[in-house]
Amino acid sequence: SQQGEEDPQALSIQEGENATMNCSYKTSINNLQWYRQNSGRGLVHLILIRSNEREKHSGRLRVTLDTSKKSSSLLITASRAADTASYFCATDAGGSYIPTFGRGTSLIVHP
Amino acid sequence: NAGVTQTPKFRVLKTGQSMTLLCAQDMNHEYMYWYRQDPGMGLRLIHYSVGEGTTAKGEVPDGYNVSRLKKQNFLLGLESAAPSQTSVYFCASSYVRSDQPQHFGDGTRLSIL
Repeated sequence: SQQGEEDPQALSIQEGENATMNCSYKTSINNLQWYRQNSGRGLVHLILIRSNEREKHSGRLRVTLDTSKKSSSLLITASRAADTASYFCATDAGGSYIPTFGRGTSLIVHP
Repeated sequence: NAGVTQTPKFRVLKTGQSMTLLCAQDMNHEYMYWYRQDPGMGLRLIHYSVGEGTTAKGEVPDGYNVSRLKKQNFLLGLESAAPSQTSVYFCASSYVRSDQPQHFGDGTRLSIL
């Protein structure tokens, strides 16, 4: 069973708008990671946030983590058509080295 | 800079046939993983390896076998393919720390008729 679950399952926006997707998980974690998957390709790592961090930035990406609510959000600002992809969160439940992935959010950015 | 390479990229099998999927990484990673990805199911872990000569079961191991005879290679075998094994298979590798990212190959698209 998935440890992390992304929400929404699908998101459709216009270029220039911000995109926000959420990840909820069930058990305590040490780290949470976000990955992107372009159509027909493998997953690519975007950003990692540790359990003692609340917010992290990387370019147009902003990740927040609320361990009390067991949730994280990924914000993509000023979206571009090239951001069209599926986005997955991965958590290391119970300190395991083996990450568990959610079902992903499919993002479509219309030019 | 190859990273993680999966062979083959596409394959069509008949029910009952066997085949082996090959994964090779050139980053000297200790951990290697095999996942399957089905529509609406995300990534599910089949088997993984924490080092040369070791393997362990993941979430959905039934019908698959694996071997890691060399650190850089991780093989996934289907002894008797079934239509339920039609999927996209991804290999990944990483260092031995949960704060290290996984590196993925581009997948093998497998159809079982």
